[in-house]
Amino acid sequence: DAGVTQSPTHLIKTRGQQVTLRCSPKSGHDTVSWYQQALGQGPQFIFQYYEEEERQRGNFPDRFSGHQFPNYSSELNVNALLLGDSALYLCASSLFPGQGTTEAFFGQGTRLTVV
Amino acid sequence: DQQVKQNSPSLSVQEGRISILNCDYTNSMFDYFLWYKKYPAEGPTFLISISSIKDKNEDGRFTVFLNKSAKHLSLHIVPSQPGDSAVYFCAASRPSSNTGKLIFGQGTTLQVKP
Repeated sequence: DAGVTQSPTHLIKTRGQQVTLRCSPKSGHDTVSWYQQALGQGPQFIFQYYEEEERQRGNFPDRFSGHQFPNYSSELNVNALLLGDSALYLCASSLFPGQGTTEAFFGQGTRLTVV
Repeated sequence: DQQVKQNSPSLSVQEGRISILNCDYTNSMFDYFLWYKKYPAEGPTFLISISSIKDKNEDGRFTVFLNKSAKHLSLHIVPSQPGDSAVYFCAASRPSSNTGKLIFGQGTTLQVKP
């Protein structure tokens, strides 16, 4: 049973560029959430997708957008990259709240460096 | 606005002894709490959780205690092993409100010395 998989594992982009990160959730999970973890901090919630819709959003600008596909996989897009966007981006999969246990399982993350 | 706080950035204990990691929260609406462990270059790994209707949950060497009146939870690891050395995050959520959003603390780095 594959867990949560993310690609790529590392990425270097230039300021102003756009980036797309990908996530496949754990088998049986239908909800994908994205988190940003800056160095020395805990993960910060970006947004959550369920049934191909953004259900919740954290305090992130519109430059951060996402998508969920019918097979529950998800993409995180960041436009007009800033140096401050350099971080570890984590994808978490779970069941939608109220459908069972609420533990979220994380992928290994994508380390994004903006230069 | 840090709703979940881990006030100890680091903790060092001897192998075989107890490790106690602490976490405080400010939002009384949180009703589910989780602990995650994170090794370098890996994503967080789920350890143990507790619902607000309980005050204790055990899983092997790991026990989580919840004190709702104090808005405080702690993770006890007994006995501690060198492989437990990692960053530990506590997280809080409100699944009763159909929100799976996790609010994380800043993390505590645990070092278990052989």
